Amino acid sequence: GENVEQHPSTLSVQEGDSAVIKCTYSDSASNYFPWYKQELGKGPQLIIDIRSNVGEKKDQRIAVTLNKTAKHFSLHITETQPEDSAVYFCALYNYGQNFVFGPGTRLSVLP
Amino acid sequence: DGGITQSPKYLFRKEGQNVTLSCEQNLNHDAMYWYRQDPGQGLRLIYYSQIVNDFQKGDIAEGYSVSREKKESFPLTVTSAQKNPTAFYLCASSDRSADPQHFGDGTRLSIL
Repeated sequence: GENVEQHPSTLSVQEGDSAVIKCTYSDSASNYFPWYKQELGKGPQLIIDIRSNVGEKKDQRIAVTLNKTAKHFSLHITETQPEDSAVYFCALYNYGQNFVFGPGTRLSVLP
Repeated sequence: DGGITQSPKYLFRKEGQNVTLSCEQNLNHDAMYWYRQDPGQGLRLIYYSQIVNDFQKGDIAEGYSVSREKKESFPLTVTSAQKNPTAFYLCASSDRSADPQHFGDGTRLSIL
């Protein structure tokens, strides 16, 4: 089945800096790519998503870019704040199948 | 507020015992899912249901069972056949299978 690689597995940044997390996949039929944020002891929350007919989407300090040719998509967080510290998961969907999730990135924003 | 409620938050299982995890949603979603989360790993799909009275096995269904008698409820039973049940279990729902999933806050299952 489809496999999603996510890098890095851990990321530490200084408050105010940017953070970038990248996911790569193999199935070119994948057409929907959400990103989730999971805080300790909580369930994942959808923070941004992108569909295959769009190359970039932005929501305030968060953006997602998609390169379908190279089969990778990335989460960009600018002006990071301590409350951005969490585990971030990428996921993808292929019509007729189910969501596949990456292994997660633990982001620490240092004050 | 609309959302997904999982209970209990913590659960302990004795050897040879079946335990049931509750998942209730008031989002009027058709599809519901159960995932298992182990440390350092992504979410793995146990079972899913796209409509009442129907459900399908996911990638790691062995040792688990589900039912979908009502649209808003999708309980998961961890049976004694599941030899390594210690994990964080997440329930999710979506309007349709291709739509974003909304997650509950999980149940942490441990072995006594």
